[in-house]
Amino acid sequence: GENVEQHPSTLSVQEGDSAVIKCTYSDSASNYFPWYKQELGKRPQLIIDIRSNVGEKKDQRIAVTLNKTAKHFSLHITETQPEDSAVYFCAASSSNFNKFYFGSGTKLNVKP
Amino acid sequence: SQTIHQWPATLVQPVGSPLSLECTVEGTSNPNLYWYRQAAGRGLQLLFYSVGIGQISSEVPQNLSASRPQDRQFILSSKKLLLSDSGFYLCAWVRLRPDEKLFFGSGTQLSVL
Repeated sequence: GENVEQHPSTLSVQEGDSAVIKCTYSDSASNYFPWYKQELGKRPQLIIDIRSNVGEKKDQRIAVTLNKTAKHFSLHITETQPEDSAVYFCAASSSNFNKFYFGSGTKLNVKP
Repeated sequence: SQTIHQWPATLVQPVGSPLSLECTVEGTSNPNLYWYRQAAGRGLQLLFYSVGIGQISSEVPQNLSASRPQDRQFILSSKKLLLSDSGFYLCAWVRLRPDEKLFFGSGTQLSVL
């Protein structure tokens, strides 16, 4: 099955700086790559996603890039704010049965 | 509107007791449904997924089972809970229209003591 690896496991940045989280995947058939934000004790919330027919997608301070050849994708958060502090998960979806496999998560801490 | 309901929110059970967690989806038909487990401070592990009534696929061998008795109902069960079954259980579904996206229920925090 699919294997998704995510780095770093923890990331600490100063408010206003940028944060980058990277993921790699193994299954070349994966074609959909969402990112989720999870606050403590809450459900993961979808924040942005990208499909294999595009290389980059942006939504305000958040952007995601995809390199299908290298099988890696990244989340970029600019002008970080304390409320961005959370655990972020990347995921990859296989083309069969819509299964989603998740990375191990990145705990982002934005220091005011 | 399309929504997902999961209950209970928290559950404390003794070792060896049975388990039943329920998840229902509204506003859609024949959704793909999933059960994920998240150990404390860890990632999301796919336990089961279902593409239709009575169709269950298990991702990892474990002390749990799943059933889908109705189109929009997904149940996670155990006959005898183990300490290692503790965790945050999340039901999820895939919205296909207007585009494919995975959404989670509010989760059940299970503590096995």
